[in-house]
Amino acid sequence: AQSVTQLGSHVSVSEGALVLLRCNYSSSVPPYLFWYVQYPNQGLQLLLKYTSAATLVKGINGFEAEFKKSETSFHLTKPSAHMSDAAEYFCAVSATNSGGGADGLTFGKGTHLIIQP
Amino acid sequence: EPEVTQTPSHQVTQMGQEVILRCVPISNHLYFYWYRQILGQKVEFLVSFYNNEISEKSEIFDDQFSVERPDGSNFTLKIRSTKLEDSAMYFCASRLAGGLVGIQYFGAGTRLSVL
Repeated sequence: AQSVTQLGSHVSVSEGALVLLRCNYSSSVPPYLFWYVQYPNQGLQLLLKYTSAATLVKGINGFEAEFKKSETSFHLTKPSAHMSDAAEYFCAVSATNSGGGADGLTFGKGTHLIIQP
Repeated sequence: EPEVTQTPSHQVTQMGQEVILRCVPISNHLYFYWYRQILGQKVEFLVSFYNNEISEKSEIFDDQFSVERPDGSNFTLKIRSTKLEDSAMYFCASRLAGGLVGIQYFGAGTRLSVL
């Protein structure tokens, strides 16, 4: 069984400041981990993924995340926030041993990122 | 860029009525999914579908729910007799066969309101 915890339902940062969105996971098997972003009235868009290769993963729009097994974390960061980063961010986990690759994702509750001018 | 399309964007129905939510996955994708998000809660997996059959379903996906791929392009979710607690945003997703698990492409969602 897997679960995801995202600390902070809302995070507010100033434009140009560091963005840090926290995600902790629980998984009985080595996980695959993902960050998705949702802009208003749009679907979920994949930002980046960890699939047991490099622990530091770079994604789109300048975001990156680091897999830390000892901390069971996969926090999302961006060095300098932009107004266009305002959105809902979801962390998700998937089991690596699922048969057939047709398993579903387990999501966190999401973090609403607010960018202040 | 190819995208997953969901219709309608908002569906209002009376309790006890049947609803069908429609999705057009990306054309060369072979795995299909439905998720839901109750307001203020997390996105929850409902069901996955491959090769014309359900691959996996969650405990939420009870006998009131069914999925179908009636033709080569549509993927539908039917709720037989809606309850108030079925009010949620429903997301469809699809992915290519092969590749890495989890690269699912999501639609914009259908907001279902049960009155």
